[in-house]
Amino acid sequence: GAVVSQHPSRVICKSGTSVKIECRSLDFQATTMFWYRQFPKQSLMLMATSNEGSKATYEQGVEKDKFLINHASLTLSTLTVTSAHPEDSSFYICSASTGVELAFFGQGTRLTVV
Amino acid sequence: AQSVTQLGSHVSVSEGALVLLRCNYSSSVPPYLFWYVQYPNQGLQLLLKYTSAATLVKGINGFEAEFKKSETSFHLTKPSAHMSDAAEYFCAVSEGGNQFYFGTGTSLTVIP
Repeated sequence: GAVVSQHPSRVICKSGTSVKIECRSLDFQATTMFWYRQFPKQSLMLMATSNEGSKATYEQGVEKDKFLINHASLTLSTLTVTSAHPEDSSFYICSASTGVELAFFGQGTRLTVV
Repeated sequence: AQSVTQLGSHVSVSEGALVLLRCNYSSSVPPYLFWYVQYPNQGLQLLLKYTSAATLVKGINGFEAEFKKSETSFHLTKPSAHMSDAAEYFCAVSEGGNQFYFGTGTSLTVIP
C-alpha cells in the first residue's frame, strides 16, 4: 500500500518557539493532505485540509495563524505550530490522498511543549 | 453531515473471548467505513475497510466487521481475543475515502 511518512515522530520544544512537522507521500502524488490532532485519550479531530498549491481550509475553531500549513508540492505538506504553548502539546497525524483513492495516514508526531 | 458513534469507551474481555466493538454511523451518502487500531504512542493502523463491496469485511489480525445499512452499524468483531489486541480502536466514516470523521475510540483491555 501507499506510504505516508511523518517527521519527526517525537519533538519536544520550549514554550514560545515554533515547530515544523513534515508529511510526505513516498510513493504517490498527494493532491490533498489532511492534518488531524489527537488530545490524550480522545479521538482524532480534523484540523485542516490542504490542496497542493492552494491555501489550506481550516476547520472551525482552528487558528490558521497558529497552525500554518503549506502544501508546496505533491509529495510534501508541512504543519508549523507557531509560538507553541503547553496546551498545543498533542499528537498530530497527517493523511494524504490522490483525490481518487483512499487516504493513507502517517505514523503521527508527538509534540510536547515545555 | 457525517458522524460516528462508538458505544463504550472501554471494553474488557478475557483472553480467548469474543471481542465486539460497536460503531454506528450517520451519512447522507453511501459511506466508506473503517476501523483503525492505535497502539500507545503510535499512529493509526488500518484494520479493515468497507467501500461498498461485500458487507462482511475481513481485516488483519483476525478481525472482521459487518456493514448493516438498515442498522447504520459497522461493528468490529474477533472470535478470540489475544493479549496483543489490547489497544485503542477507532471507527471512522468517509464520503469518498479522503476526509475522515472518527469516533471517540474504544479502549480494549484483554484480561489474561
